[in-house]
Amino acid sequence: DVKVTQSSRYLVKRTGEKVFLECVQDMDHENMFWYRQDPGLGLRLIYFSYDVKMKEKGDIPEGYSVSREKKERFSLILESASTNQTSMYLCASSLSQGAGGYTFGSGTRLTVV
Amino acid sequence: DQQVKQNSPSLSVQEGRISILNCDYTNSMFDYFLWYKKYPAEGPTFLISISSIKDKNEDGRFTVFLNKSAKHLSLHIVPSQPGDSAVYFCAARTPAGYALNFGKGTSLLVTP
Repeated sequence: DVKVTQSSRYLVKRTGEKVFLECVQDMDHENMFWYRQDPGLGLRLIYFSYDVKMKEKGDIPEGYSVSREKKERFSLILESASTNQTSMYLCASSLSQGAGGYTFGSGTRLTVV
Repeated sequence: DQQVKQNSPSLSVQEGRISILNCDYTNSMFDYFLWYKKYPAEGPTFLISISSIKDKNEDGRFTVFLNKSAKHLSLHIVPSQPGDSAVYFCAARTPAGYALNFGKGTSLLVTP
């Protein structure tokens, strides 16, 4: 069964900490994405990557960075966590453009205190 | 600027009846539309999609209708079941785009 795996389901971090959210896919997908989901705001794209070492900003990249050193792994980094980054974070992957939709991970619920 | 809009935050339907979830879009370059279903504390799962060259696609109890002239699509669930209670996201993509544009979601509650 194909999978997108997010390393943590729940995380609690302190304000100012550097936070790493990891995502791994086993489908050999070219594209990987990080979204956050907040009530009333839907899914908002933070960053995406269409190839190893390539990254593009999404709609809300401020306060975040990403790393894609290997095709199967896409990491989201909160450089200095703040309480307004408390959210559900969703990783997704897809084949190259034009080939269809996403496969999502189960999400990481991050609370910054 | 929200290019995909789901104007109804919530919908309540009785079991056995039809659920109709609506979605509007503003970008005429979108060529592919998808619906995702999301349960709490889980990632969204793909439900059904439609290409812009079609106006209808069916998969079991789920049918998506696309009206390009109105820039509107809808998801019909017949008959609705309590297990359909979830948040439904409409999404769209342009031919040149890597990323999907999502609506804000509609929370569907199917009551027994």
